[in-house]
Amino acid sequence: AQSVAQPEDQVNVAEGNPLTVKCTYSVSGNPYLFWYVQYPNRGLQFLLKYITGDNLVKGSYGFEAEFNKSQTSFHLKKPSALVSDSALYFCAVRSNQAGTALIFGKGTTLSVSS
Amino acid sequence: DAGVIQSPRHEVTEMGQEVTLRCKPISGHDYLFWYRQTMMRGLELLIYFNNNVPIDDSGMPEDRFSAKMPNASFSTLKIQPSEPRDSAVYFCASTPGGRPNYGYTFGSGTRLTVV
Repeated sequence: AQSVAQPEDQVNVAEGNPLTVKCTYSVSGNPYLFWYVQYPNRGLQFLLKYITGDNLVKGSYGFEAEFNKSQTSFHLKKPSALVSDSALYFCAVRSNQAGTALIFGKGTTLSVSS
Repeated sequence: DAGVIQSPRHEVTEMGQEVTLRCKPISGHDYLFWYRQTMMRGLELLIYFNNNVPIDDSGMPEDRFSAKMPNASFSTLKIQPSEPRDSAVYFCASTPGGRPNYGYTFGSGTRLTVV
């Protein structure tokens, strides 16, 4: 069975500081990993994904994520946080088998203070 | 493209009433998903369709919930009878093809409140 864990309900960081939002996963076969962001009263928006290749994936708005197979992790990072990055972030995983659905973590609220 | 369209945006209903949520996927997307978001449980997959056929409904909480996709451009999620614990935001998402490397496009959601 697929599962995703986001161990932190909330992450607080000051503007200009680096940020990390943690994610670990469990899946049969090779994982396809995704990060989505949700702003208040909005749907989820795609940020980035890892399918294969380079373990460091770059996405929208300056975000990046590092795939670590041995630790089954896919942490979201940004070198310098902005107040506008404050939102709810979801990690998601699916296996590489066709027809499977994305399974999401519970989400992590990122709060960036000025 | 208008994206995934959900209606209504907000729904307030009394316990015991029937509720119907609607979704129009992006044209050409042959996978459609229904998710439910709550504070306690996060984002849960309820059911998904491929080419209008339900593939996995194991996430549907109980028989009060039902979903249909009568054609490629329309799906409904129905709750009958509704209960206060059904209060949540319900999202619909779609994706093209069966390739796992495709991301999903989400609608704006329907916020359901059952009083």
